[in-house]
Formats: sequence, structure tokens, C-alpha cells
Amino acid sequence: AQKITQTQPGMFVQEKEAVTLDCTYDTSDQSYGLFWYKQPSSGEMIFLIYQGSYDEQNATEGRYSLNFQKARKSANLVISASQLGDSAMYFCAMREENTGNQFYFGTGTSLTVIP
Amino acid sequence: GAVVSQHPSRVICKSGTSVKIECRSLDFQATTMFWYRQFPKKSLMLMATSNEGSKATYEQGVEKDKFLINHASLTLSTLTVTSAHPEDSSFYICSARQGRPRQPQHFGDGTRLSIL
Repeated sequence: AQKITQTQPGMFVQEKEAVTLDCTYDTSDQSYGLFWYKQPSSGEMIFLIYQGSYDEQNATEGRYSLNFQKARKSANLVISASQLGDSAMYFCAMREENTGNQFYFGTGTSLTVIP
Repeated sequence: GAVVSQHPSRVICKSGTSVKIECRSLDFQATTMFWYRQFPKKSLMLMATSNEGSKATYEQGVEKDKFLINHASLTLSTLTVTSAHPEDSSFYICSARQGRPRQPQHFGDGTRLSIL
């Protein structure tokens, strides 16, 4: 079974609007971390936001917030006030902390911000 | 679904040893493969991008003679850490993409390298 599922291969959003990128995960570990990365065309992975499995509050970092629903095993990324520079690939990832810090990635969502 | 196999998953070896890590796309042709190194906390550093049949493009600060990358076929890329030292200990992860940028990218499970 896929550990990380990103069901939206491509998304479009109007500039200044908010957009939600979906991510669901599968783990039996109690201790894990969820990450979102932005990948511009250069291939680098820019860390955006992190949510620990024991964190009670949803993580926020500037315009990025993570809608963490533990029971549903979802960790959607919300980008508010989209900017043209937000156009990129976005990857959701999970690290299982009780199994040697194994890292799992989704296949990514391509976000295009329309002026 | 598409799968990328990265091998080995864990290596422990002595300082001075060279270590080869393989990244295979099992059911698709990977025109582009990326190699990343994970640093403490959350940072994932792009080391190099390899395109099948051509030399890898290394990121600034990555020693190409130290980290040899070969992308000999559309399904296999290798990263060789030559004369590894303890500071090379890290988690290395590859990913593969078929076609243009913004296409789905598939990641290996990573290799935990420990140099004693």
C-alpha cells in the first residue's frame, strides 16, 4: 500500500486565492512526522512546514498551514493568498520515527497560479 | 503504480571505503533522476540531477569527484560515495521522473549511510 497519497496531479488557483493540496498517509506508527516540500523547476526541495503526530495544533508557517486530521490520516497543505511564485511541484512526505526514520514521499502535485 | 527501488537501505562501513547506492525505476523509464541528502531537522538538499546518457549536473558545493553519479540507462542511476568519511554519514534518497518537469516524481525509500 502507498504510504503517502497525493491524489491531485495538477491544480490551478487564481492569484490571491487560497488553495488546498491534499495528502493522505498510511502508518501504524504512533510517532511520525509529516512534511511538505516545494520543488521549483531546478529540482531542489524547499522545506515548507512540519507537523508532528503528537502536535495538537495545526502547524502554520506564514502563508502555509497544515490541516492535520489524525483520525482521517490526512495532512492537507493550505496556501493562502497565492502568488505567482507559488507555481511549482509540491510533495507531501512522512517520516516514521519508530522504524529507523524511514522517509516516504508522495508523487507530488503540480500547482499553477493563474494571474 | 510506479515504483522506485533504492538499494541498499542501510550501510555501515569503515572510513575510507567507497559505497555505491543504486536507484532503479521498476516499471517506467526515468529520463531524470535526482539525488538528495537529508540534513538534520527537515532540510533535504539536492545533490545532483542526472539525465540518462549525459553527465550529472551537480549543485554548488557538492564535490563531483566525491559523489560519483552515473545514469547509464533509463532505469538505473547510481551514486558512489568515494573514500567515505564520518561526515558523509547521512540519509540519501533518490527520485525519478519520466518526462517533463511537473510530472509525477517517484521516490526511493532512501539509504541510511553510517561511516565509522
